[in-house]
Amino acid sequence: EAQVTQNPRYLITVTGKKLTVTCSQNMNHEYMSWYRQDPGLGLRQIYYSMNVEVTDKGDVPEGYKVSRKEKRNFPLILESPSPNQTSLYFCASSLLGGLGNYGYTFGSGTRLTVV
Amino acid sequence: TQLLEQSPQFLSIQEGENLTVYCNSSSVFSSLQWYRQEPGEGPVLLVTVVTGGEVKKLKRLTFQFGDARKDSSLHITAAQPGDTGLYLCAGTAYSGGGADGLTFGKGTHLIIQP
Repeated sequence: EAQVTQNPRYLITVTGKKLTVTCSQNMNHEYMSWYRQDPGLGLRQIYYSMNVEVTDKGDVPEGYKVSRKEKRNFPLILESPSPNQTSLYFCASSLLGGLGNYGYTFGSGTRLTVV
Repeated sequence: TQLLEQSPQFLSIQEGENLTVYCNSSSVFSSLQWYRQEPGEGPVLLVTVVTGGEVKKLKRLTFQFGDARKDSSLHITAAQPGDTGLYLCAGTAYSGGGADGLTFGKGTHLIIQP
């Protein structure tokens, strides 16, 4: 089944403790992206990657890092999480991202709480 | 980042009624997409419209892309409780060849009451 898999689904952590949210897709998509979704603010892009070793900042990149060493994986790293990073996070992939009008396939989300 | 305004933000209607939700922008988009999101899940693509004036139908859902490629609408006929969810529009704006991904509207929360 074609899908984007995120782990974990739920995570509660403390301020300053480094964490990684994993994302993997099995569709051989070139483009991957991370979003956060907050009430009243909608979906906002954190980082995106157009291909292996090619990443770029989205609208809200502060406090986050990403890497794209393999085509299928795009982990999101929070080096020193803070309470304002409490949110619902989504990973998405697409055949060609913003080009070619291809749709995004989203993961099921990771609900992160930083206390 | 180009802004997509969705209206209404919230809509609660009775089963069997018709409804329209709107997605507007001052920017021109090369395409617009509509997604539906259920609580606790990621958005799921419903349709992509790419040509100004284009109309696409998906069972009881009708999607339209404005002639000027700045707006879109989603019309649901004879709404059913299973249509309940958050409807998101998302667009890819013309940006001189950039591919920085989709811009999302904040969504319309739709509740269909039995």
